[in-house]
Amino acid sequence: DAKTTQPPSMDCAEGRAANLPCNHSTISGNEYVYWYRQIHSQGPQYIIHGLKNNETNEMASLIITEDRKSSTLILPHATLRDTAVYYCIVRVAGNNDMRFGAGTRLTVKP
Amino acid sequence: DVKVTQSSRYLVKRTGEKVFLECVQDMDHENMFWYRQDPGLGLRLIYFSYDVKMKEKGDIPEGYSVSREKKERFSLILESASTNQTSMYLCATSTGQGRSGYTFGSGTRLTVV
Repeated sequence: DAKTTQPPSMDCAEGRAANLPCNHSTISGNEYVYWYRQIHSQGPQYIIHGLKNNETNEMASLIITEDRKSSTLILPHATLRDTAVYYCIVRVAGNNDMRFGAGTRLTVKP
Repeated sequence: DVKVTQSSRYLVKRTGEKVFLECVQDMDHENMFWYRQDPGLGLRLIYFSYDVKMKEKGDIPEGYSVSREKKERFSLILESASTNQTSMYLCATSTGQGRSGYTFGSGTRLTVV
């Protein structure tokens, strides 16, 4: 599975959009991009995933660049409860073991 | 929603004890995983299982074993607990379809003294 690079930390003002970047320059054509988050003292929570098209669900939007070498997770209106560590992972469909990196610690401030 | 239940939230064991960490899921998920999480090291995969009675080593299997006698239950076993196994242990499940996400349990914080 391709490796990912994320900034170690980011801040965001409450009510504003949080844009979390992820670089995956060695991604293969059959690898999906997944995002999870982990709120303190809880297990990671699945947010969204995509292959090459942009995706949106009730939690977030995922924007994948045309060359698929990077992506951005967007939380449109961040709240204090969105403070968490966010993980970007790429893996091949059918490869069921998932490796987590260090992630980005997002702090939403009032 | 899938529920993944880990038997204990906090556990304290003595060095040398045999420790069982249990994970039970209430959906028909084929795949189950055990991770440990340590500050500065992130989540590391210990073992996983795609089916009953089968297991695969992850990145750090040393000092651990697993058991999957029933589809809904995946046990992590520390044969002889050591202090360096003090950690947060997380269980996760996913369906057999490769594109699905994982569902995690709340974790067991194990302290070995």
